[in-house]
Amino acid sequence: GENVEQHPSTLSVQEGDSAVIKCTYSDSASNYFPWYKQELGKGPQLIIDIRSNVGEKKDQRIAVTLNKTAKHFSLHITETQPEDSAVYFCAASIGGNEKLTFGTGTRLTIIP
Amino acid sequence: SAVISQKPSRDICQRGTSLTIQCQVDSQVTMMFWYRQQPGQSLTLIATANQGSEATYESGFVIDKFPISRPNLTFSTLTVSNMSPEDSSIYLCSVYVTDDGYTFGSGTRLTVV
Repeated sequence: GENVEQHPSTLSVQEGDSAVIKCTYSDSASNYFPWYKQELGKGPQLIIDIRSNVGEKKDQRIAVTLNKTAKHFSLHITETQPEDSAVYFCAASIGGNEKLTFGTGTRLTIIP
Repeated sequence: SAVISQKPSRDICQRGTSLTIQCQVDSQVTMMFWYRQQPGQSLTLIATANQGSEATYESGFVIDKFPISRPNLTFSTLTVSNMSPEDSSIYLCSVYVTDDGYTFGSGTRLTVV
């Protein structure tokens, strides 16, 4: 089955700097790669996703890049703000209505 | 995107008892997914529930421990049976909607004492 690895497990960044979280996956059939933000006491919230026919996607301060050949994808957050502090999870799926396999999570702390 | 209402939000239960968690979606969906998130850990899929058929369980999870019902296209329940402290986790339901991706409920925080 699919295996998703995520690094780093913790990340501290000065407010205003950029943060990068990286994930690798094992199943070449995976074609959907979402990123979730989970705040304390809440369920995961989708912040951005990318499909295998796209190499990069951006939404304001957040971007995701995908390298299908190398089987890795990354989350980039620019101009970080204190409210970006949370746990971030990457995930992979072979497509709609199929299960998501999650990475181990990254605890991001923005230092004011 | 779909809106999921999950109940209860939290509970403290005695070992040996059972708890049923409810998940209500504001639109009809084919599949509903149940995940477990142990303290400080990632999400692990328990089972996939398709309306009108038996749920499909992942390795390490069995129907006797985690029975699931899926009576219609907007509702599902997960029961955690004969609980032990090791069952203390957050339990989350999720649905997939085309073009919106996977949405999660706010979770049920279960503590077994």
